[in-house]
Amino acid sequence: EIEMTQFPATLSVSPGEGATISCRASQSVNNNLAWYQQKPGQAPRVLIYSASTRATGIPARFRGSGSETEFSLTISSLQSEDFAVYYCQQYKDWQTFGQGTKLEIK
Amino acid sequence: EVQLVQSGPEVKKPGQSLKISCKASGYKFTSYWIGWVRQMPGRGLEWMGIIYPDDSDTRYSPSFEGQVTLSADKSIATAYLQWSGLKASDTALYFCARSDSGNWFDSWGQGTLVTVSS
Repeated sequence: EIEMTQFPATLSVSPGEGATISCRASQSVNNNLAWYQQKPGQAPRVLIYSASTRATGIPARFRGSGSETEFSLTISSLQSEDFAVYYCQQYKDWQTFGQGTKLEIK
Repeated sequence: EVQLVQSGPEVKKPGQSLKISCKASGYKFTSYWIGWVRQMPGRGLEWMGIIYPDDSDTRYSPSFEGQVTLSADKSIATAYLQWSGLKASDTALYFCARSDSGNWFDSWGQGTLVTVSS
């Protein structure tokens, strides 16, 4: 089973600033990596798939990068609605989620 | 519009059985995988397993193999997650979600809260 490790667990950032969340796979997943956003009381929604492709309707301030075992999600100019929990997910070998990163307002 | 509508909240006692559902609409049910994801209170997302409704091909996470059963009824476009003997540790929010070719989840149900308490 491929393990996914996200860091940091919590990230405190001021609105208008940028934020980067990292995700590491225990073995290569090529570019089979997605990022999700989950807000309290809601189901997750996909932001990025294939490591760097934005899903339909996702603003350009969300950018995914990386390949093999190292990935990152960068959010530029944070808006109030961006403060949420973010998860990475590999789908090379079925699926595994990272443990999540809480992006909170500083 | 793609929709996954899950059954309502459940309160059960340890040892009881339970089957929750996920009804799909707005797409061809037999052409996409349906996965299940657990979220324990205050915790992250855990991938439980996935089923292809057309032929019921099923894969389980090692953590959930033998603990739950996935099934699907293509005649009514509905997927199911069931337990034969619930434990208090099964208390969680359970999501179903659609996946193309077993890849990322592009649509999610609203979640079903399962509470197991004596």
